[in-house]
Amino acid sequence: QVQLQESGPRLVKPSQTLSLICNVSGFSISSGDYYWTWIRQPPGKALEWIGYSYYNGRSHYSPSLQSRAVISLDASGNQFSLKLTSVSPADTAVYYCARRYWGSWYFDPWGRGTLVTVSS
Amino acid sequence: QSALTQPRSVSGSPGQSVTISCTGTNSDVGDYEYVSWYQHHPGEAPKLIIYDVNKRPSGVPARFSGSKSANTASLTISGLQAQDDGDYYCSSYAGNYAWVFGGGTQLTVL
Repeated sequence: QVQLQESGPRLVKPSQTLSLICNVSGFSISSGDYYWTWIRQPPGKALEWIGYSYYNGRSHYSPSLQSRAVISLDASGNQFSLKLTSVSPADTAVYYCARRYWGSWYFDPWGRGTLVTVSS
Repeated sequence: QSALTQPRSVSGSPGQSVTISCTGTNSDVGDYEYVSWYQHHPGEAPKLIIYDVNKRPSGVPARFSGSKSANTASLTISGLQAQDDGDYYCSSYAGNYAWVFGGGTQLTVL
């Protein structure tokens, strides 16, 4: 059974870099055919797709975040990460990691999510 | 891209049916047959319950069904059960390898 779990600092100061890791169990992220994705939900707002990375290093990001977001894969640790630079309180959100199969247009499974607050 | 529009809340009694709408535009919901729905219970991971508008993953009860008309997709849950209580989110592919989601609907089983 594939499981994803997010981890990282719960509090980040404005202008700093938000760094999260998604640990994957039950499946090798380097096996190909899957896109490793980050999604977030600010309090009281809609879910927002952030972007994804493929096992070959190819990535794609939401136009609104592409200048600040980087998603990387760590095959040795079987995990992938999100780095979001120059954060502001607007980046306060629950951050989810998820998997998407190549050729599909949905996300399955997801992690439970982790709340990250941007505040001084 | 703008978020998809969902009602904030719906409710129904056990055994009844409820329908949750998800309205987008002709650049997302109206342009692709790639609407998915997710069930979310607080503290748990969101769970895929419908994909490609009306397909159910293995293990999802047939009580859950999806449909689409023009720019609006719908999730219908028939024979409501207590465990259906929770939040439901829709999502649509929006072209250029990007996705858009709804704001979520809280379902209360009375």
